[in-house]
Amino acid sequence: EPEVTQTPSHQVTQMGQEVILRCVPISNHLYFYWYRQILGQKVEFLVSFYNNEISEKSEIFDDQFSVERPDGSNFTLKIRSTKLEDSAMYFCASSLRTSGANVLTFGAGSRLTVL
Amino acid sequence: QQQVKQSPQSLIVQKGGISIINCAYENTAFDYFPWYQQFPGKGPALLIAIRPDVSEKKEGRFTISFNKSAKQFSLHIMDSQPGDSATYFCAASIRASSYKLIFGSGTRLLVRP
Repeated sequence: EPEVTQTPSHQVTQMGQEVILRCVPISNHLYFYWYRQILGQKVEFLVSFYNNEISEKSEIFDDQFSVERPDGSNFTLKIRSTKLEDSAMYFCASSLRTSGANVLTFGAGSRLTVL
Repeated sequence: QQQVKQSPQSLIVQKGGISIINCAYENTAFDYFPWYQQFPGKGPALLIAIRPDVSEKKEGRFTISFNKSAKQFSLHIMDSQPGDSATYFCAASIRASSYKLIFGSGTRLLVRP
C-alpha cells in the first residue's frame, strides 16, 4: 500500500537553529499538508499546498515557517529559527481529491525537540 | 466556529463492549466528517467518514451516526477488541477551504481483555 514517508523520525535541535523536515508524499497525490501535534494534544493544521503554492495556512504558520516542493517528489517544511514551543510531532499528509471526498494519508511523523 | 469538540477524553471498555465517542461542531459549512485512528508512534489513519446528507454509515464494527440538526456526530465501535485500543480523532472539513481537516481533541480508548 502506498505510504507517505517522513524524515527524520526524530530531530533534536537548539533554540534558534533552522530545521528542515522532509516528506515524500504518495506519488500521484496532488494536495499536500503539514500538521503538528504537541504531545498529548490534538492534531493542528499548519498549511496546505497545491499546484506549487500555499493554498491555505493557519495562524500558527507564521514567517518562521516555509514549505517547498523542490523537485516534484519531496515536500519540505522549514522552520527558520526554532523556539521551545515548536517542539511537537510534525505530520505530513497528502491526498488525491476525488468525487468530493478528500482522504488524507498521513506519514508516521517527525518528532522535533527544541532545547 | 472552526472548533470541533470531542468527548470523552479517555474511555475504558471491556472486550466485547460498545465504545462511543462524541463530537460536536458549530460551523454549518463543514461538509465532510472523518474519523481517524492513531496508534502510538504512528500518524493518524482514516477509519471511516461521512457526509452530512446521510445520518449513518457503517463499515464492519464501526458506525458513524450523524445528527445534522444537532450538529453532532459520533463513532460507535461494536464488539470492541483490545486491538482497537488507540486514540481516536473526529475531524471536519469544508470542501471549499482547501479541504483542511479540523481535528477534535482526541479520545484515548483502552479496551480491556
